[in-house]
Amino acid sequence: DIQMTQSPSSLSASVRDRVTITCRASQSIANYLNWYQQKPGKAPKLLIYAASSLQSGVPSRFSGSGSGTDFTLTISSLQPEDFATYYCQQSYGTPYTFGQGTKLEIK
Amino acid sequence: EVQLVESGGGLVQPGGSLRLSCAASGFTFSSYEMNWVRQAPGKGLEWISYISGSGTTIYYADSVKGRFTISRDNAKNSLYLQMNSLRAEDTAVYYCAKRRLADYWGQGTLVTVSS
Repeated sequence: DIQMTQSPSSLSASVRDRVTITCRASQSIANYLNWYQQKPGKAPKLLIYAASSLQSGVPSRFSGSGSGTDFTLTISSLQPEDFATYYCQQSYGTPYTFGQGTKLEIK
Repeated sequence: EVQLVESGGGLVQPGGSLRLSCAASGFTFSSYEMNWVRQAPGKGLEWISYISGSGTTIYYADSVKGRFTISRDNAKNSLYLQMNSLRAEDTAVYYCAKRRLADYWGQGTLVTVSS
């Protein structure tokens, strides 16, 4: 199975900060990497697919990059509604494993 | 508007069975692969099963293989998850999600396995 490792596991930041979350795959997954945002009690929401493609309706302050084994999610200027948990997921091969999550909290 | 609505969750004893349903609307259901993903209380996301649009290709996570069965009825725009031999560690919110990149999710249905 492909293991997905996110870092950090948690992060404190302030509104208007620039934040980067990283995700590393245990083997190459080309660009089959997706990012999700989840708020408490809600279903996850797709932000980025194919490593760098912005899902329709997602603000442009969210961006993704990377290929192979190393990927990043960047939020260019944090907004109050961005405080949530973020997950990466590989869709290269089954099982479609998720990272353990990164909880983004208000400083 | 794409909508996915799960149902069928509840409290079940260890060793018991449940059948989850996911009613889809707002898109051509038969054209899209579907997945089940679960989340144990306070834990992360776990992909558990995939089915192709036609239903001919199916995959499972090792944690549920042999106990859970995914299926779909394209005439009814519905996805199912038959869960047998349930264990305490199957306690989770179960989500259906459209496509392997999960562009749309249902609201989830809670399954609690406890005596």
